Amino acid sequence: GDSVTQMEGPVTLSEEAFLTINCTYTATGYPSLFWYVQYPGEGLQLLLKATKADDKGSNKGFEATYRKETTSFHLEKGSVQVSDSAVYFCATSRRSYGKLTFGQGTILTVHP
Amino acid sequence: GAVVSQHPSWVICKSGTSVKIECRSLDFQATTMFWYRQFPKQSLMLMATSNEGSKATYEQGVEKDKFLINHASLTLSTLTVTSAHPEDSSFYICSARPREDYEQYFGPGTRLTVT
Repeated sequence: GDSVTQMEGPVTLSEEAFLTINCTYTATGYPSLFWYVQYPGEGLQLLLKATKADDKGSNKGFEATYRKETTSFHLEKGSVQVSDSAVYFCATSRRSYGKLTFGQGTILTVHP
Repeated sequence: GAVVSQHPSWVICKSGTSVKIECRSLDFQATTMFWYRQFPKQSLMLMATSNEGSKATYEQGVEKDKFLINHASLTLSTLTVTSAHPEDSSFYICSARPREDYEQYFGPGTRLTVT
């Protein structure tokens, strides 16, 4: 079946540092790829998505590019803020908005 | 918009009892709701998909008689854990998908502890 592997956390950074959270997937065909974020005490929110190879999803300064050749969808942000502290989940779906398969989540803590 | 709530946010129950968790879409109608389970430091695992007015579709390995799901209306789905045991202790998360959209909107989760 489909699977998603995320970089193990927790990740601790200083404010304005560069962030990368690695994500690789295993899926047949051409899945859609997602990053979700969960802030403390809140539900998961869709951060960004990409539905085909070479697509770049972006939102709130975060970016991720759908790389089919490396089956990856790494999350990046050039300058993190304290307010970015949250748990980040990479996910895949066989078709847009279908059943989601999640990675294990990566805890990010940003210090002032 | 697109807010999903869950109640309760946490619950402690004794082994052998049943507990009901509610998932509500507050500002939209949800034709489909999903129930996930999350173990500590592990990913969310889809338990079942429910469509309003029809029976839930359970994922392989999920006991349908133990985890009863009722999608009674376009804004409410309930998960009942029957005859709960300590191994059922977990974090349960629901999501809802509006009729006019395909994105899933997630609730904040319910922490269940069975003693």
